[in-house]
Amino acid sequence: AQSVAQPEDQVNVAEGNPLTVKCTYSVSGNPYLFWYVQYPNRGLQFLLKYITGDNLVKGSYGFEAEFNKSQTSFHLKKPSALVSDSALYFCAVRDLRGNTPLVFGKGTRLSVIA
Amino acid sequence: DAGVTQSPTHLIKTRGQQVTLRCSPKSGHDTVSWYQQALGQGPQFIFQYYEEEERQRGNFPDRFSGHQFPNYSSELNVNALLLGDSALYLCASSKTGVETEAFFGQGTRLTVV
Repeated sequence: AQSVAQPEDQVNVAEGNPLTVKCTYSVSGNPYLFWYVQYPNRGLQFLLKYITGDNLVKGSYGFEAEFNKSQTSFHLKKPSALVSDSALYFCAVRDLRGNTPLVFGKGTRLSVIA
Repeated sequence: DAGVTQSPTHLIKTRGQQVTLRCSPKSGHDTVSWYQQALGQGPQFIFQYYEEEERQRGNFPDRFSGHQFPNYSSELNVNALLLGDSALYLCASSKTGVETEAFFGQGTRLTVV
């Protein structure tokens, strides 16, 4: 069975500082990994994905994520945080074998302080 | 392109009632998945529809049922509502066989009183 762990309920960072939101995953096959962001009373917006290839993937709004197979991690990063980045972030995984649904972590609330 | 649209945006129902939520997928997408997001939780997979049939189902009771129409739009029905069914219901669309991300609608906030 697939699973995702986001170990931090809340991450606080000062504006202009780098940010990291952590994610580890478990799948039986090869993973298909995603990050989504959710603003209050809204649906989920896609940020970036990893299928194969370069372990560092770049996405929307200056975000990037690093895939680490040995540590089964897919941490979300941004070099310089903005107040407008404050939101709820979800990591999700699919098994590439077959049409399995997305499995989400419980989310991490990012708060960027001016 | 309007993206994924869901209706209604908000809904209040009484325990024991039935509710129908609707979703129109993004243009070109043929697969619709439904998720339940309880307050403070990540989205939980309910089921997925493709070619008008339920292809996969999560750990939800039979009170949750769905339908997909020939134009790929979908409905989620919940019977005998419980207080615990109060949540944000999200619809996601994707294209089967293509390694693209799922696109989500803005959700329907269901409150059961």
